[in-house]
Amino acid sequence: DAKTTQPTSMDCAEGRAANLPCNHSTISGNEYVYWYRQIHSQGPQYIIHGLKNNETNEMASLIITEDRKSSTLILPHATLRDTAVYYCIVRVAETSGSRLTFGEGTQLTVNP
Amino acid sequence: DGGITQSPKYLFRKEGQNVTLSCEQNLNHDAMYWYRQDPGQGLRLIYYSQIVNDFQKGDIAEGYSVSREKKESFPLTVTSAQKNPTAFYLCASSPRDSQGADTQYFGPGTRLTVL
Repeated sequence: DAKTTQPTSMDCAEGRAANLPCNHSTISGNEYVYWYRQIHSQGPQYIIHGLKNNETNEMASLIITEDRKSSTLILPHATLRDTAVYYCIVRVAETSGSRLTFGEGTQLTVNP
Repeated sequence: DGGITQSPKYLFRKEGQNVTLSCEQNLNHDAMYWYRQDPGQGLRLIYYSQIVNDFQKGDIAEGYSVSREKKESFPLTVTSAQKNPTAFYLCASSPRDSQGADTQYFGPGTRLTVL
């Protein structure tokens, strides 16, 4: 699976958009971009994933550049409960079960 | 209420004792996984199972064992052979969506402390 690079930490004001970047310059054509987050002492929570097109769901939007070498997760109106470590993961979907390789992620702190 | 449950949330055991962590899902997912997380680190895969009565070792299977007798259950046993068992254990399951990308959903975790 392709390696990803994320900033160690970011801050965001409550109510503003949080834009979390991820670089994955070695991504292959069949690799998906996934985003998870983990609030302290809880299990990781799936947020969104995409292959080529931009995606949006009730939690966030995922913007993938045309060359697929980077992406941005957007939380449109951040709340204090969005404070968490956000993980960007690039992986191939395999038929026989595949591991999620979590790097160090980005610690997002939403401030009042 | 659909989801993945892990019990208990906190577990204490004496060194040398085997302990079994429970993981149950009612999402009708075929695949289930066990991960371990140490403080300040990412998740490492212990075992995974794609179908009932079948499972494969992950990256750090030594000192652990699993069973998959039912689709909804995937218990993990931490044996006395595991040298550093104190950790946060996470269970996950996944369906397969129509695009072929399987998304893993996690339980709340069990924090195991070996005294």
